[in-house]
Amino acid sequence: KQEVTQIPAALSVPEGENLVLNCSFTDSAIYNLQWFRQDPGKGLTSLLLIQSSQREQTSGRLNASLDKSSGRSTLYIAASQPGDSATYLCAVKGAGNQFYFGTGTSLTVIP
Amino acid sequence: EAGVAQSPRYKIIEKRQSVAFWCNPISGHATLYWYQQILGQGPKLLIQFQNNGVVDDSQLPKDRFSAERLKGVDSTLKIQPAKLEDSAVYLCASSFSTDTQYFGPGTRLTVL
Repeated sequence: KQEVTQIPAALSVPEGENLVLNCSFTDSAIYNLQWFRQDPGKGLTSLLLIQSSQREQTSGRLNASLDKSSGRSTLYIAASQPGDSATYLCAVKGAGNQFYFGTGTSLTVIP
Repeated sequence: EAGVAQSPRYKIIEKRQSVAFWCNPISGHATLYWYQQILGQGPKLLIQFQNNGVVDDSQLPKDRFSAERLKGVDSTLKIQPAKLEDSAVYLCASSFSTDTQYFGPGTRLTVL
């Protein structure tokens, strides 16, 4: 069974700092990997989707990379802002069409 | 474009009672998902529909949970009877064809 792990569980950084969130998965046979943002009491917002054949995707200050062979993905956030404070989740879509989520990294950006 | 709608937003019931949640996906989205998110954990897929057919319900506790999507549009998830461990946020999501999932705001269920 696919297991998705996110480290660290919580992260606190000063405003303006660049940061990296990590996601690892045990089964490299994936179709794609998605990064989501979840604000308290709200649903998830898709940030970036990387297909298994891709190495990275970029959107604004966000860059996500995928190394399928090593079972790792990173989400890079440049010039962090207080509005980036949220929980970030990664999810992989496996060969059986199942989606597996990590437990998330809670990010706090301090003004 | 209207987002995924869910109701109710909050529900408090006692154990052994029944409860139902409703979801209306984004117009045109054939795929609909129900997730259970327990506090401090990532969402767990309960059931996935493609139009009105079930694609995956391997993690749905079928002795107490049921879901339907009769006309291939909106969907209902039911729990009968509820247990304390069912306390969670129930998220509905939909997608068109790119695998990007769009989530609703969720229903927070508290079982006392």
